[in-house]
Amino acid sequence: AQSVTQPDIHITVSEGASLELRCNYSYGATPYLFWYVQSPGQGLQLLLKYFSGDTLVQGIKGFEAEFKRSQSSFNLRKPSVHWSDAAEYFCAVAPAAGTYKYIFGTGTRLKVLA
Amino acid sequence: EAQVTQNPRYLITVTGKKLTVTCSQNMNHEYMSWYRQDPGLGLRQIYYSMNVEVTDKGDVPEGYKVSRKEKRNFPLILESPSPNQTSLYFCASSTGSNTEAFFGQGTRLTVV
Repeated sequence: AQSVTQPDIHITVSEGASLELRCNYSYGATPYLFWYVQSPGQGLQLLLKYFSGDTLVQGIKGFEAEFKRSQSSFNLRKPSVHWSDAAEYFCAVAPAAGTYKYIFGTGTRLKVLA
Repeated sequence: EAQVTQNPRYLITVTGKKLTVTCSQNMNHEYMSWYRQDPGLGLRQIYYSMNVEVTDKGDVPEGYKVSRKEKRNFPLILESPSPNQTSLYFCASSTGSNTEAFFGQGTRLTVV
């Protein structure tokens, strides 16, 4: 079955430290990949997406993600975290063609220490 | 401003009392969907619509209905709400099934 796994439910980092949030997917073929961020009381906002091409993609707010086909992973990174990055982060996949739905991971809640 | 608007943002209701959560988008998107978000479960799709009058079940459709009579609107209907439908609900729209989704602000529903 298709699935998305975010193994870390909570992550705490100090402001200024680097960040990596993990995402692994199980899919028959390379899907389209997304990272969304949900700030408290808000809807989800797209950070970045990967469809094809360069496996390192840049997003908004200084985030980047790297697609690794061999590991079925799409990890999100940021070199230096800001306090405003505290939020919940969701990885999502969608088929390149076929069924009409995203599959979301269960989310990783990021806490930033001042 | 491009947006997806849900109403109401907060709702407390009693078991069995029919309710509707509205969703409207102003981006002329063909694809719309409803999700519920529960702690530890992420977002699960309830229903989706590929265009006017075309809807289909997602992963957790039981207890919900939808309609798509106009392109911009996609209301979520709970005919007889139960406490297990207490959740945070999101509407989303996109140009296609695998493109960037634009989300509403969410509706926090409590059924007592």
